[in-house]
Amino acid sequence: DAGVTQSPTHLIKTRGQQVTLRCSPKSGHDTVSWYQQALGQGPQFIFQYYEEEERQRGNFPDRFSGHQFPNYSSELNVNALLLGDSALYLCASSLGHYNTEAFFGQGTRLTVV
Amino acid sequence: KQEVTQIPAALSVPEGENLVLNCSFTDSAIYNLQWFRQDPGKGLTSLLLIQSSQREQTSGRLNASLDKSSGRSTLYIAASQPGDSATYLCAVTKAAGNKLTFGGGTRVLVKP
Repeated sequence: DAGVTQSPTHLIKTRGQQVTLRCSPKSGHDTVSWYQQALGQGPQFIFQYYEEEERQRGNFPDRFSGHQFPNYSSELNVNALLLGDSALYLCASSLGHYNTEAFFGQGTRLTVV
Repeated sequence: KQEVTQIPAALSVPEGENLVLNCSFTDSAIYNLQWFRQDPGKGLTSLLLIQSSQREQTSGRLNASLDKSSGRSTLYIAASQPGDSATYLCAVTKAAGNKLTFGGGTRVLVKP
């Protein structure tokens, strides 16, 4: 049973560019949440997708957007990248609104130069 | 607004000593609390999940307690090993299906 998988594992982008990160949830899970983790800090909630809709959103600007596909996989898009967007981006999956035990992927390390 | 704090930020112990990691939260109206382990540059591994109605949860050498009224949880790791060296994070959620609010983590080093 595959756990949560994220791609790519690392990438480097230039300020002003756009980036797309991908996540496949654990088998049987239908809810995907995205978190940003700066170095030395705890993860911060970006948003959550359930039934292909954004259900909750944290305190992040509109430059951060996402999508969930019918197979429950998800994308995180960040436009107009800033140096401060450099972080580890984590995807977590869970089973709907019945159980909040979250399982995380290995993360995508984004470096903006 | 819920705030989660983990003190100390870093901890170093000799191998074999028991580890005690603390987590406090400001709003006691939580649904559950989860402890995670994170190795450098890696994702989070779920260790224990405690429902708000539970007082403790155990898995092998790990034991986590929850005192909702005082806004505290403690993770105990018995007989620490060098392989236990990692950052430990706690997170709370307000309702089923809701987001996780994390503490800043405690970085643990177990010296051989």
